[in-house]
Amino acid sequence: DAKTTQPTSMDCAEGRAANLPCNHSTISGNEYVYWYRQIHSQGPQYIIHGLKNNETNEMASLIITEDRKSSTLILPHATLRDTAVYYCIVGDTGTASKLTFGTGTRLQVTL
Amino acid sequence: DTGVSQNPRHKITKRGQNVTFRCDPISEHNRLYWYRQTLGQGPEFLTYFQNEAQLEKSRLLSDRFSAERPKGSFSTLEIQRTEQGDSAMYLCASSLASTYNEQFFGPGTRLTVL
Repeated sequence: DAKTTQPTSMDCAEGRAANLPCNHSTISGNEYVYWYRQIHSQGPQYIIHGLKNNETNEMASLIITEDRKSSTLILPHATLRDTAVYYCIVGDTGTASKLTFGTGTRLQVTL
Repeated sequence: DTGVSQNPRHKITKRGQNVTFRCDPISEHNRLYWYRQTLGQGPEFLTYFQNEAQLEKSRLLSDRFSAERPKGSFSTLEIQRTEQGDSAMYLCASSLASTYNEQFFGPGTRLTVL
């Protein structure tokens, strides 16, 4: 699976958009970009995934660059409950389908 | 509650003892995963089942670790002769083989080996 690079930490004011970047320059053609988050003392939670088109769901938007070497997760109106570690993961949907987590980005949403 | 459940939530044991954890996945999910997470790190894959078949094991899974999913429903993870380095959060996740790897995680079992 391709390796990802994320900033260690980010801050965001409540109500503002949180934009979390991820670099995955070695991504291959059949690999998806997945985002999960982990709120303190809980298991990770799936947020969104995409292949090459931008995606949006009730939680977030995922913007993938045309060359697919980087992506941005957007939380449009961050709340205190969005404070968590956010993991960008690249992988295919093949038979193994295990997730390879990095250390993620610790997002702190503040008043 | 139809989410993934894990028991116990916390386990404290002495070095050298055996421990067993249980995971109950979402009922219709045929894939089940075990991960281990240490402080400050992301979860690390340990092993994965599709129905009752164990299809992949990480090199992290030493001979002291064994996992089963006997009827393709719940799973157990046993650690024999525990060591202090086994102290971690053990996470279970489940998914449908037909979906794009959307894994649903349980709350985890925190193991402390004294």
